[in-house]
Amino acid sequence: DAGVTQSPTHLIKTRGQQVTLRCSPKSGHDTVSWYQQALGQGPQFIFQYYEEEERQRGNFPDRFSGHQFPNYSSELNVNALLLGDSALYLCASSFQGSSQPQHFGDGTRLSIL
Amino acid sequence: AQKVTQAQTEISVVEKEDVTLDCVYETRDTTYYLFWYKQPPSGELVFLIRRNSFDEQNEISGRYSWNFQKSTSSFNFTITASQVVDSAVYFCAPLSYNNNDMRFGAGTRLTVKP
Repeated sequence: DAGVTQSPTHLIKTRGQQVTLRCSPKSGHDTVSWYQQALGQGPQFIFQYYEEEERQRGNFPDRFSGHQFPNYSSELNVNALLLGDSALYLCASSFQGSSQPQHFGDGTRLSIL
Repeated sequence: AQKVTQAQTEISVVEKEDVTLDCVYETRDTTYYLFWYKQPPSGELVFLIRRNSFDEQNEISGRYSWNFQKSTSSFNFTITASQVVDSAVYFCAPLSYNNNDMRFGAGTRLTVKP
């Protein structure tokens, strides 16, 4: 039973570029949440998708957008990249919301030059 | 909104010692969940425990135990007879019943030396 898978593992971009990160949830899960984790800090909630809709959003600018597909997989898009966007981006899946234990992927390490 | 304080930034112990990780949270909600997650060097967060705010019964699971005290807003986590494999960053996180925005603390880095 595959857990949460994220791709790519590492990514290097330059300022102003756009990036798309991908996530496949654990089998049986229908909810996907995205988090940004800066070095030495705890994860910060970006947004959550359920039934292909953004259900809740954290304190992130509109440059951060997402999508959930009918098979529950999800994408995180970041436009106009800034140096401060360099972080580990974690995807978590769960069944019907965050109250159930979330299963996390290994993350995508994004570096902005 | 919730806020979490994990005052211990780093803890270092020798294998087989017991260690307690502290977590103090702030919330205006009357009903909420409390979570502990572990992040080993691989980066993946691993779920350890979830408690409901109305359930203050403390729990022991193998070498792990949790002490939840609503009166002091604390949710501490103890590892008994620590092992090298316990080395990781540990995060405490409250979550309101009506919210999907899980607020993680800054984490406590635990190093267990052989």
